[in-house]
Order: sequence, then structure tokens, then C-alpha cells
Amino acid sequence: GAVVSQHPSWVICKSGTSVKIECRSLDFQATTMFWYRQFPKQSLMLMATSNEGSKATYEQGVEKDKFLINHASLTLSTLTVTSAHPEDSSFYICSAIGRVGTGELFFGEGSRLTVL
Amino acid sequence: DAKTTQPTSMDCAEGRAANLPCNHSTISGNEYVYWYRQIHSQGPQYIIHGLKNNETNEMASLIITEDRKSSTLILPHATLRDTAVYYCIVRVAGDYKLSFGAGTTVTVRA
Repeated sequence: GAVVSQHPSWVICKSGTSVKIECRSLDFQATTMFWYRQFPKQSLMLMATSNEGSKATYEQGVEKDKFLINHASLTLSTLTVTSAHPEDSSFYICSAIGRVGTGELFFGEGSRLTVL
Repeated sequence: DAKTTQPTSMDCAEGRAANLPCNHSTISGNEYVYWYRQIHSQGPQYIIHGLKNNETNEMASLIITEDRKSSTLILPHATLRDTAVYYCIVRVAGDYKLSFGAGTTVTVRA
């Protein structure tokens, strides 16, 4: 089946640095991907919709200048957490719409960010 | 605002069927019922979906009431690897912006 891969699986960084997380669709093209954030013991919260070749659409309350999203190809979307702070520590998950006609969403394995 | 209501948690015995209820009393005629699960520290995994007919696949069965106001996900023979948070989500076909509620934390015990 369709596979979505995230990299890195986990990352630890110092406060004030920027961290890039990649989301790749491995065997299909994804014009649209989604980024979620999940704090411990909480549910997933949609952050933004990543559109290939255009600007991302952010959910209310998500700072677009802090969470930079780039969807430069049909198989790759990146989320960059800029000037990370400890409160940005979270589990970041991406999803991609599957092949046209399947209507299915496929999720990545998630990337755990810890900001010291 | 939550479109679905699920119990917070439930335990079940390994090898037995696990029946997970979900209430969606305000579901619209064009909304499907989807089930996903999330094993600890992993991304969500699709399980099954349906509109009004009961559905079955290799993972589970989905029973939707005739009035579509509730549904039950059935894991026929629960294993320890089925321990996860199970999310019931209603969505319109073509709407991929999923809204996750709290889900049901299912613990399968030996």
C-alpha cells in the first residue's frame, strides 16, 4: 500500500535553533499533504495544509512565520520549526492524500521534536 | 465542536472480540464514518470506513445503525498489538482535513 515516510523520527535541538522535518510520499504523488501536531496525552491537531507549488494554508492560531512549510515537489513537503522553544516540543505527523480515486489518507510515522 | 462521542477507555481480553462504540448523532447524509487507530508514538493507521452499510475488511468490521447516528467498530480477535487509541471520525468524501477527537484508549490484556 501507499507509504508516507517522515524524517527524522526524532530530533533534539537547542532552544533558538531551527529544525526541518521531511514528509515524503514513497510510491505515489501527493499534491496535498497535511501537518499535525500532537502534545503528550492529547489528540492530533491540524496545523496546516501543504499544497504543491503554492503557499500552505494554516489553521487558526498557527504562526506561519514560525512553522514554515515548503511543498516543492509532488513527493516532498517539509516543515521547519524556526527559532524553536521548549513549548514547541511535540510529535509532528504528516499525512498525504493517496492516489487519485482512492480517496484515502496515509499518515507518516511521526517525528518527535524535543527542544532543550 | 466534536462531531463524535467515544468512551474514554476500555479494556478487553486477548483473543476476544472488542466492540468500540461511537455516537455521531448529527451526521449528515453525505458524511462517512471513518476509523483510525494510533499505536503509541506512531502515526495514525486507517482501519475502515462506511457510509450506511456494514463493512468488513481484514482488520475489522464496522456496524452502522440504520439511522446512522451511531456505529460500532469490531475487532474480532483482539491481540496485544491492538492496544492503541482508536478514533472515530465523520467526514465528507473529499474532505481530508481530519478533526481528531480524544478517541478511545483500548488496552488489550493477556
